Amino acid sequence: GIQVEQSPPDLILQEGANSTLRCNFSDSVNNLQWFHQNPWGQLINLFYIPSGTKQNGRLSATTVATERYSLLYISSSQTTDSGVYFCAVEGAASNTGKLIFGQGTTLQVKP
Amino acid sequence: NAGVMQNPRHLVRRRGQEARLRCSPVKGHSHVYWYRQLPEEGLKFMVYLQKENIIDESGMPKERFSAEFPKEGPSILRIQQVVRGDSAAYFCASSQGQGARGYTFGSGTRLTVV
Repeated sequence: GIQVEQSPPDLILQEGANSTLRCNFSDSVNNLQWFHQNPWGQLINLFYIPSGTKQNGRLSATTVATERYSLLYISSSQTTDSGVYFCAVEGAASNTGKLIFGQGTTLQVKP
Repeated sequence: NAGVMQNPRHLVRRRGQEARLRCSPVKGHSHVYWYRQLPEEGLKFMVYLQKENIIDESGMPKERFSAEFPKEGPSILRIQQVVRGDSAAYFCASSQGQGARGYTFGSGTRLTVV
């Protein structure tokens, strides 16, 4: 099945710093989403981005489907950005909406 | 508009007991997905259901686990004779149609088996 790899696994930032999180996937995808799991365990949908670039405030994401990777940019990080960031994909061969999640990047933003 | 409601938020069971986890999808959503998150891991797909039908259960353990989404009422994930390894967070997501674009996740049920 499709493999999803995220890097780095862990990241510690000082408040105000910028960061880039990467997601590589092993096959063509219909769908790619970025999620933030906050320290209370809630999953927040950040972006639906099977291709192209989107921005939402301090966050932006780019997916290059032909090269099978996606990047999540966090600018001017805040302590509330802490948590785990997951990339999840639906393989192009899938027709059920089943998402395959990466292992996540754990981000800690220090004040 | 209420989102996906899962209950209970926390559930403690002794080994050998049954666990029943409930998921009420977003109003109007007829597709439900269950995922499991083991400690320090990402989410793993378990099962995809539509009303009264199991569409894809390829991620469900072969024994002790079952799921349903009846015509009326919430979707239920049932774990019989729980073991310590079942301790995890169980998330439900719903969507209006096939495909994950319109996914909305619930807040999860954290199951602890003692």
